[in-house]
Amino acid sequence: SYELTQPPSVSVSPGQAASITCFGDKLGGKYASWYQQKPGQSPVLVIYSDDKRPSEIPERFSGSNTGNTATLTISETQAMDEGDYFCQAWDSTYVLFGGGTKLTVL
Amino acid sequence: QVQLQESGPGLLKPSETLSLTCAVSNYSISRGYYWGWIRQPPGKGLEWIGSIYQSGTTYYNPSLKSRVTISVDPSENQFSLKLSSVTAADTAIYYCARTIFDYVWENYRYAYAYYMDVWGKGTTVTVSS
Repeated sequence: SYELTQPPSVSVSPGQAASITCFGDKLGGKYASWYQQKPGQSPVLVIYSDDKRPSEIPERFSGSNTGNTATLTISETQAMDEGDYFCQAWDSTYVLFGGGTKLTVL
Repeated sequence: QVQLQESGPGLLKPSETLSLTCAVSNYSISRGYYWGWIRQPPGKGLEWIGSIYQSGTTYYNPSLKSRVTISVDPSENQFSLKLSSVTAADTAIYYCARTIFDYVWENYRYAYAYYMDVWGKGTTVTVSS
């Protein structure tokens, strides 16, 4: 069965860029989305269709998807960006989520 | 803006059927979009359960398909989830979400775009004897 693999954790200093990867076989042939979830809150869509950003999401969030890896990049990371991030894609007839990455802003 | 609100029993016994409803505000389900359910066990990641179109077309997670039914009620502007024969493993926060699902041309290729753009606050369901 198809799987999406994310690193369990990523750490970044405030003001630096953070990159979170999502690996899946030929993932570049699918569209990847990304969700941010803060403790006790519902997930929020931050990137869809690989690199599209909902209007309410800050410009520092961007996405890419080539080969087997989709990447969420947060430029100039802020303390408010701490949380869990999940990638997601559609495969054949169902939806997959990655296991999630905990982003820590040190 | 569109709002979704889950409701249903918070405590079930093993073997019972989980029944949840998602009420949609400020948008008519009949106008389009898919509508889906996602769950999150305590301290774990997200698991997609399934989704439904206003016409009744459904897609389900293969691992849950034998126990899941999602239905839509346009007259009440809500959709529902039923999960039968629950066990402790079904203990989770259950979210409903508005879903975009389309076959599109983006970034020089055709593929299915599927993503959830509006989420409810979630409702906690515990299965315990």
